[in-house]
Amino acid sequence: DAKTTQPTSMDCAEGRAANLPCNHSTISGNEYVYWYRQIHSQGPQYIIHGLKNNETNEMASLIITEDRKSSTLILPHATLRDTAVYYCIVLIQGAQKLVFGQGTRLTINP
Amino acid sequence: GAVVSQHPSRVICKSGTSVKIECRSLDFQATTMFWYRQFPKKSLMLMATSNEGSKATYEQGVEKDKFLINHASLTLSTLTVTSAHPEDSSFYICSASGLGGETQYFGPGTRLLVL
Repeated sequence: DAKTTQPTSMDCAEGRAANLPCNHSTISGNEYVYWYRQIHSQGPQYIIHGLKNNETNEMASLIITEDRKSSTLILPHATLRDTAVYYCIVLIQGAQKLVFGQGTRLTINP
Repeated sequence: GAVVSQHPSRVICKSGTSVKIECRSLDFQATTMFWYRQFPKKSLMLMATSNEGSKATYEQGVEKDKFLINHASLTLSTLTVTSAHPEDSSFYICSASGLGGETQYFGPGTRLLVL
């Protein structure tokens, strides 16, 4: 599976959009981009995933560049409860093994 | 939908005893379940993958005789930490995926403290 690179930490003001970048320059054509987050002392929570088209659900939007070498997770109106570590993971279609990197520690400030 | 539970949420045990942790998929059939371990300030590390009705596949460095995994039904997997030692103290998290799905849904985790 392709390796991902994320900033170690980010801050965002409450109510603003939080944009979390992820680089996956070695991604192959059949690898999906998945995003999970882990709030302190809880299990990871699935957020969203995509292959090449932009995706949106009730939690977030996922913007994938045309060359698929990077993506951005957007939390449109961040709240204090969005403070968590966010993991960007690429996963080959049909594969099962999630490999967690260090993720981005997002802090939402009041 | 896609709810996974774990029990217990936290457990304290004496060194040398065994501890069983249950992982249940509450609203879907989990053909595959995964067990992870997480040490403080570290990321999740996959321990093993189990498919319903077959033996678990362990990651390199994980002792299968120490961490017994059973996946007897499509909604339940158990992890038993045998002869627990203080270094086994950790946060154990399970996840589950359903038929044809790559998306894994995680349980809330079990915090194990071995004294």
